[in-house]
Amino acid sequence: AQSVAQPEDQVNVAEGNPLTVKCTYSVSGNPYLFWYVQYPNRGLQFLLKYITGDNLVKGSYGFEAEFNKSQTSFHLKKPSALVSDSALYFCAVRDSLLTGGGNKLTFGTGTQLKVEL
Amino acid sequence: DAGITQSPRYKITETGRQVTLMCHQTWSHSYMFWYRQDLGHGLRLIYYSAAADITDKGEVPDGYVVSRSKTENFPLTLESATRSQTSVYFCASSAPGQGGSPLHFGNGTRLTVT
Repeated sequence: AQSVAQPEDQVNVAEGNPLTVKCTYSVSGNPYLFWYVQYPNRGLQFLLKYITGDNLVKGSYGFEAEFNKSQTSFHLKKPSALVSDSALYFCAVRDSLLTGGGNKLTFGTGTQLKVEL
Repeated sequence: DAGITQSPRYKITETGRQVTLMCHQTWSHSYMFWYRQDLGHGLRLIYYSAAADITDKGEVPDGYVVSRSKTENFPLTLESATRSQTSVYFCASSAPGQGGSPLHFGNGTRLTVT
């Protein structure tokens, strides 16, 4: 079975400061990991993914994420937060051993990011 | 414009009524998905489809029915709506691949069952 945990319901950060949104996962095989962002009354938008290769993945809007296999984590980061980054962020995972179902992802419960002036 | 469209955006219905939520994508993606979003649960997969006429259950399929007669459409039907089905429903699509293709989401349907 595949699962993902986002331990923080909300993260508050001041504009200009670095931000981190945490995610840990559990899979039987190798993980395919994703981050999505959701703005109010909108669907989820893809930010970045880790499939294989370099542990530091860069994505849209200046976001990056670091894959750590030993800690089974995939934390989302940004060096300098903007007020416009305020949104709901979801981590998602797919187990490489999962057959069929295309890109059937399991999502975390989401972390609300609030960036204040 | 290419994309994924859900209709209606908002729907209020009564307990026991049948409701169909529509989803249409213009990318010709083979995979399509229905998720529901509830506070504290994140997104949970209801049904998915690998291609026209191929569907399969997700995590929470009870009370829902899907069909996919055409690649671009993937309607979700609540056969007899219950209050527990009050939720925001998202349709998504993705291209085939080895699991690395991102999902593309519609803007959702907010369903209230009274």
